[in-house]
Amino acid sequence: DTAVSQTPKYLVTQMGNDKSIKCEQNLGHDTMYWYKQDSKKFLKIMFSYNNKELIINETVPNRFSPKSPDKAHLNLHINSLELGDSAVYFCASSQGALAGARTDTQYFGPGTRLTVL
Amino acid sequence: AQSVTQLGSHVSVSEGALVLLRCNYSSSVPPYLFWYVQYPNQGLQLLLKYTSAATLVKGINGFEAEFKKSETSFHLTKPSAHMSDAAEYFCAVSDRGGGFKTIFGAGTRLFVKA
Repeated sequence: DTAVSQTPKYLVTQMGNDKSIKCEQNLGHDTMYWYKQDSKKFLKIMFSYNNKELIINETVPNRFSPKSPDKAHLNLHINSLELGDSAVYFCASSQGALAGARTDTQYFGPGTRLTVL
Repeated sequence: AQSVTQLGSHVSVSEGALVLLRCNYSSSVPPYLFWYVQYPNQGLQLLLKYTSAATLVKGINGFEAEFKKSETSFHLTKPSAHMSDAAEYFCAVSDRGGGFKTIFGAGTRLFVKA
């Protein structure tokens, strides 16, 4: 049973389109994240939710909008896609209990490779 | 703010040789440190983490890392490399903020030669 799953695995689209990536975790975790990994493998956090509440909102264009319908799901919607959005997007989750949060292990999904043409 | 620096974007070793991947951290508070591994076309998975208990931390697949406060280092080692160890390795530090933000290093690609 996959712990953190993402769909789709690959996404190829034209500039200017709007697209969504979905993420689900079945680990019972409270916290979920979106990361962007660029072509140089640099991994940067974009957003984090704890129990459906936005707790990390990094400097990301407002074309990117996360949505967490429940604590097991965190989706990422991207409007007006640009060439520079091409990257691999990873969803992750962690237990997120406040007391131990800094030591929590993050569990990553397999990634969604987004290519904007 | 916390940060990590991984020395060497690429490391190449022969099969059976010692693996040493270097990581130095910067932190104004006691750090919590992690090593994650990313195999090709996969997500990251935890190798090991330091959470202020023992300074020598053992992880999966024979890897270990030693926290050295005086050197602000958390280098990853494995006595004998295996072909299956070829991957990207990320050192990370947990931010002092809400506790949920992890700062990742730039990664070190490990090549293992037969």
